[in-house]
Amino acid sequence: DAGVTQSPTHLIKTRGQQVTLRCSPISGHKSVSWYQQVLGQGPQFIFQYYEKEERGRGNFPDRFSARQFPNYSSELNVNALLLGDSALYLCASSTETGGMETQYFGPGTRLLVL
Amino acid sequence: AQTVTQSQPEMSVQEAETVTLSCTYDTSESDYYLFWYKQPPSRQMILVIRQEAYKQQNATENRFSVNFQKAAKSFSLKISDSQLGDAAMYFCAYRSASSNYKLTFGKGTLLTVNP
Repeated sequence: DAGVTQSPTHLIKTRGQQVTLRCSPISGHKSVSWYQQVLGQGPQFIFQYYEKEERGRGNFPDRFSARQFPNYSSELNVNALLLGDSALYLCASSTETGGMETQYFGPGTRLLVL
Repeated sequence: AQTVTQSQPEMSVQEAETVTLSCTYDTSESDYYLFWYKQPPSRQMILVIRQEAYKQQNATENRFSVNFQKAAKSFSLKISDSQLGDAAMYFCAYRSASSNYKLTFGKGTLLTVNP
């Protein structure tokens, strides 16, 4: 089975622009989470969606938004990009949410904001 | 808010030797879950081992084991018989049982395995 896939792999934007990142979870997984990993840091939680509903939101500004589609794929949108948004954006999927549930991570999208 | 601290930014080990990576966390909760994730240079993060806080027995997965000390809020990872493929960034992560939708990660420890 295919793992979690993300697109694009790399992206370069300029300040003020908007970006959309995409994630396809493992088949059968209904939960998708997004994390931001700044260079030299651990991933920071942005959102979790389960069955197309937002289950949790991290401490990120409203410029960050996400949604989950009926096929459980997900998009992360970031508006009015800042230099500090440059990071690796990770998507993770799981069958359920929480507990001991294993999250399976994708390879990430590397975003560079100039 | 919960925090996870990994005090060793970098560690190195000789192939076939044993290495222990440290992790401490801060929480006021009694029910939670702890994880170690590995992120190789190719970037895809994979789960190494996990532990439920209410289980006293330390988790073991082949060459990987943990030393879970709940009172000390410590969760170290021991890698035995280190292999070249173990070289990666290792992240310790915490998940609350009450707000259980997110993982809180430490900053990571970069493990180098020397042949």
